[in-house]
Amino acid sequence: EAGVTQFPSHSVIEKGQTVTLRCDPISGHDNLYWYRRVMGKEIKFLLHFVKESKQDESGMPNNRFLAERTGGTYSTLKVQPAELEDSGVYFCASSQVQTDTQYFGPGTRLTVL
Amino acid sequence: AQSVTQLGSHVSVSEGALVLLRCNYSSSVPPYLFWYVQYPNQGLQLLLKYTTGATLVKGINGFEAEFKKSETSFHLTKPSAHMSDAAEYFCAVSDHNDMRFGAGTRLTVKP
Repeated sequence: EAGVTQFPSHSVIEKGQTVTLRCDPISGHDNLYWYRRVMGKEIKFLLHFVKESKQDESGMPNNRFLAERTGGTYSTLKVQPAELEDSGVYFCASSQVQTDTQYFGPGTRLTVL
Repeated sequence: AQSVTQLGSHVSVSEGALVLLRCNYSSSVPPYLFWYVQYPNQGLQLLLKYTTGATLVKGINGFEAEFKKSETSFHLTKPSAHMSDAAEYFCAVSDHNDMRFGAGTRLTVKP
């Protein structure tokens, strides 16, 4: 069974540009989560989808971040316009409904210059 | 609100020595507790978890952790370190809805 996949693995952009990160969860997992780790700090929750609906987006830093989950399958996280402080590793995780174990993808390392 | 504190951002042990990575948590409800490991250039992998029942939890690769409610701790141990254990380890707490992570502990294993 394929795990959680994320694309791209690395992205280097300039301040003011737009970047879109993609996450494909494990098939059949209705829960999808986005997290971010800024250099040397803890992994922070961004938001949680249940199918295509946003269950909790309390961790989204500001309105430059937009997350979508088309048809309850893959999810995208767009940053527009990117700022220097957006640099970090963005992780995606998925889980089945009514379970506690989240399975993580390898992350996307975003560098904003 | 829930939170996690990992004591020591870097831990170094010799091969064959005991590994002890410390984690303390706070939670307003009975917590679910997790340890994840991240090897270089890979994603987070679940090592072990505590939900209910036995407080001593065994995980993969010889690791185990003990839930101590009175100490609000969930320390990770391994009796004998191996070179392949070098990685970053994350403790996490869940209130059954959201997960909160510690800042991570990077484990170095010296030959």
